[in-house]
Amino acid sequence: GAGVSQTPSNKVTEKGKYVELRCDPISGHTALYWYRQSLGQGPEFLIYFQGTGAADDSGLPNDRFFAVRPEGSVSTLKIQRTERGDSAVYLCASSLTRDTGYNEQFFGPGTRLTVL
Amino acid sequence: EDQVTQSPEALRLQEGESSSLNCSYTVSGLRGLFWYRQDPGKGPEFLFTLYSAGEEKEKERLKATLTKKESFLHITAPKPEDSATYLCAVLSNTGGFKTIFGAGTRLFVKA
Repeated sequence: GAGVSQTPSNKVTEKGKYVELRCDPISGHTALYWYRQSLGQGPEFLIYFQGTGAADDSGLPNDRFFAVRPEGSVSTLKIQRTERGDSAVYLCASSLTRDTGYNEQFFGPGTRLTVL
Repeated sequence: EDQVTQSPEALRLQEGESSSLNCSYTVSGLRGLFWYRQDPGKGPEFLFTLYSAGEEKEKERLKATLTKKESFLHITAPKPEDSATYLCAVLSNTGGFKTIFGAGTRLFVKA
């Protein structure tokens, strides 16, 4: 079956611009996570959705970052006024549910964001 | 603050040379500890979840163990296709839904 997909695979933008990164989770997965990963580091948690609502956004670094999941499936991570320090691979993951303990997260291939 | 430290940063093995990767963690109540494998240019792939000290899980040449302070990923008779970065992560009772990842151990297995 289809896994988690992310588009675009690569995004190059200029400092100060606005970008949107898209995640299509596995069908039926109610939990969705966004992470960002810098070179040589592990993924850093950004936000978690259960259904349509952001259940935990404690990892968003500042108010330039925002994410939505309006219909409980596809999610979009939005970054305003991009800075060079935002350059990283942005990973999306989905899992069946969080209600009954931990369920394994299935990761997408990531979007590599480069801010010039 | 919840923390995960993995060692070594990189490990080079000959094919068939067994070894272990270490994950030390500090959390205010462990809800779960996870191991993932990540190949270059790809997202992490789930391997194991461990919940309590003394628990062990196995999958092919990999075996994960857990104590109250650390976890080990034992690799028995590795093959070149086991070359990847292995990530450890934790979820704590007070960390909400925030999964904390270590920086990973890059494993190279030479034929």
